Amino acid sequence: DGGITQSPKYLFRKEGQNVTLSCEQNLNHDAMYWYRQDPGQGLRLIYYSQIVNDFQKGDIAEGYSVSREKKESFPLTVTSAQKNPTAFYLCASGQLFSGANVLTFGAGSRLTVL
Amino acid sequence: GNSVTQMEGPVTLSEEAFLTINCTYTATGYPSLFWYVQYPGEGLQLLLKATKADDKGSNKGFEATYRKETTSFHLEKGSVQVSDSAVYFCALKSMIYNQGGKLIFGQGTELSVKP
Repeated sequence: DGGITQSPKYLFRKEGQNVTLSCEQNLNHDAMYWYRQDPGQGLRLIYYSQIVNDFQKGDIAEGYSVSREKKESFPLTVTSAQKNPTAFYLCASGQLFSGANVLTFGAGSRLTVL
Repeated sequence: GNSVTQMEGPVTLSEEAFLTINCTYTATGYPSLFWYVQYPGEGLQLLLKATKADDKGSNKGFEATYRKETTSFHLEKGSVQVSDSAVYFCALKSMIYNQGGKLIFGQGTELSVKP
């Protein structure tokens, strides 16, 4: 079955460490997205990529980095510069410019800073 | 800019009660509108969508109508079940070229249905 796989599901990080969250899709979608979810704040866009080797900052990109070397993969690195990284991170993919095609989400990764 | 506003939760209902979750939006042009549902500890699942004015999206007994005149997309269900307990997100997707197809979400509304 086609879908999005995020790993790890749970991750603990010490202060000052960088961590990388994996996101892989086999839906042949062009676009991929990273959202951050905090209680009571909905989902906020971190980064998105419309095509391989290109990506754009979302609303809260500071302290995060991404790469898009392959169409199927869009890893997110949470750097030590991110002041409050504890959150639930959701990856999504979709086709551009089509209202009939919706974003498909992964199951999420929960990051906790110790 | 584009934005989505949802009624605040949590909403607590008894089984078989009528549900309405309000959603209004601000957008340039003619966005597509969506409702997503999130069960505890999981990602988001599409519940229903509407891509143009007066369209009605429906799924699993839930309905929402795209009202351009009131910029609204309220979610309704005639008789809720305990299994409907979840967080519901209203979202819009701008169809303008340089918006990247991203979704803009409301803050979410938590629904709890009691037996």
